[in-house]
Amino acid sequence: DSGVTQTPKHLITATGQRVTLRCSPRSGDLSVYWYQQSLDQGLQFLIQYYNGEERAKGNILERFSAQQFPDLHSELNLSSLELGDSALYFCASSLLTSITGTQYFGPGTRLTVL
Amino acid sequence: KNEVEQSPQNLTAQEGEFITINCSYSVGISALHWLQQHPGGGIVSLFMLSSGKKKHGRLIATINIQEKHSSLHITASHPRDSAVYICAVLYYGGSQGNLIFGKGTKLSVKP
Repeated sequence: DSGVTQTPKHLITATGQRVTLRCSPRSGDLSVYWYQQSLDQGLQFLIQYYNGEERAKGNILERFSAQQFPDLHSELNLSSLELGDSALYFCASSLLTSITGTQYFGPGTRLTVL
Repeated sequence: KNEVEQSPQNLTAQEGEFITINCSYSVGISALHWLQQHPGGGIVSLFMLSSGKKKHGRLIATINIQEKHSSLHITASHPRDSAVYICAVLYYGGSQGNLIFGKGTKLSVKP
């Protein structure tokens, strides 16, 4: 158990809908990272927050947004969902601000868009 | 051409064998990350390297920045090592960091 929790574990929704994925980092970790893993694209880095501020941005679509709250949990919002958004979404946390720090991964949320 | 290439894509080994997984990249990087993804989907960070070599138990990771190449070695392999091993490179474009992942190497260790 990494200490990182993600909810929900599974999510099934329809095209055009909006969903919110939630991540609670390990106690004491200030950085949260979001990743998408799909069958065709593999793992992709989406975005990093550190202590409430956006720190690094990867291949995140404009339809997706994230934030980190004062209690350090983070939410990833996915809107106008398309079939191709079906994937595993992982969050990870680390103590440091640098993306080079050891990251601890949550169990993932499996999103299915029908 | 992918910016991060892993080889082999699939690897089957007998228990006890020495295993090497390779990662080559084309961009200038700050660091390289090795991850292990278990059959159930969980991901564990194994190593973060910016130079030289790191060892943890039966796992050894090396990186050659000049040759843009990293290797992950597993000594005395065991069926519980069966997993997908993924390398990711960290590079800085402008002021922000970004991680690019390889497609992974699926390792199966037979008893």
